Amino acid sequence: QQQVKQSPQSLIVQKGGISIINCAYENTAFDYFPWYQQFPGKGPALLIAIRPDVSEKKEGRFTISFNKSAKQFSLHIMDSQPGDSATYFCAATGETSGSRLTFGEGTQLTVNP
Amino acid sequence: DGGITQSPKYLFRKEGQNVTLSCEQNLNHDAMYWYRQDPGQGLRLIYYSQIVNDFQKGDIAEGYSVSREKKESFPLTVTSAQKNPTAFYLCASSIRTRPGQPQHFGDGTRLSIL
Repeated sequence: QQQVKQSPQSLIVQKGGISIINCAYENTAFDYFPWYQQFPGKGPALLIAIRPDVSEKKEGRFTISFNKSAKQFSLHIMDSQPGDSATYFCAATGETSGSRLTFGEGTQLTVNP
Repeated sequence: DGGITQSPKYLFRKEGQNVTLSCEQNLNHDAMYWYRQDPGQGLRLIYYSQIVNDFQKGDIAEGYSVSREKKESFPLTVTSAQKNPTAFYLCASSIRTRPGQPQHFGDGTRLSIL
């Protein structure tokens, strides 16, 4: 009930391509869905987040698509760049979780030049 | 410049030894968290605290202990009871006032066994 499933585990994309990472959740009480970006040897940094009252949120080249009925959300990185190479984590939380976040397993993205 | 400071960056533990990882934040956040990250895996919650002098176990608390005597500090002790302590440890903080607040992370401490 508390899990967040993330796929794929790893992803290789050519420069300029679109990177897509998917997450699915079970707990219908979740109402906040952030994405984090982590570079090697660093802590995760908040990238973009969405609440279920909207189906899409865009910030620059990064877009979250949210499907409430399917309990799925995804991160799209447009015009992917080598500097985007990192590990990406989706997460979720809600009223019943307090301030706890439930994280997906992570996706290691490599963008080839 | 506000943020979370974790120290040391690298730490080595001998068999049977307790070690303490430091986490300090100057973001005036109420809630603080400790996560463990193993290679190729996600973040697993060890302990969290939503207010001074109070903390709760996360999903993998066995072999770890914490204290929260000050709002800005949340040290984690890895005890000798933790048989597989080699991992990357991350501290985070967030505003507690309502759910759905982002967590801000430090840059981690990498713990290894000697």
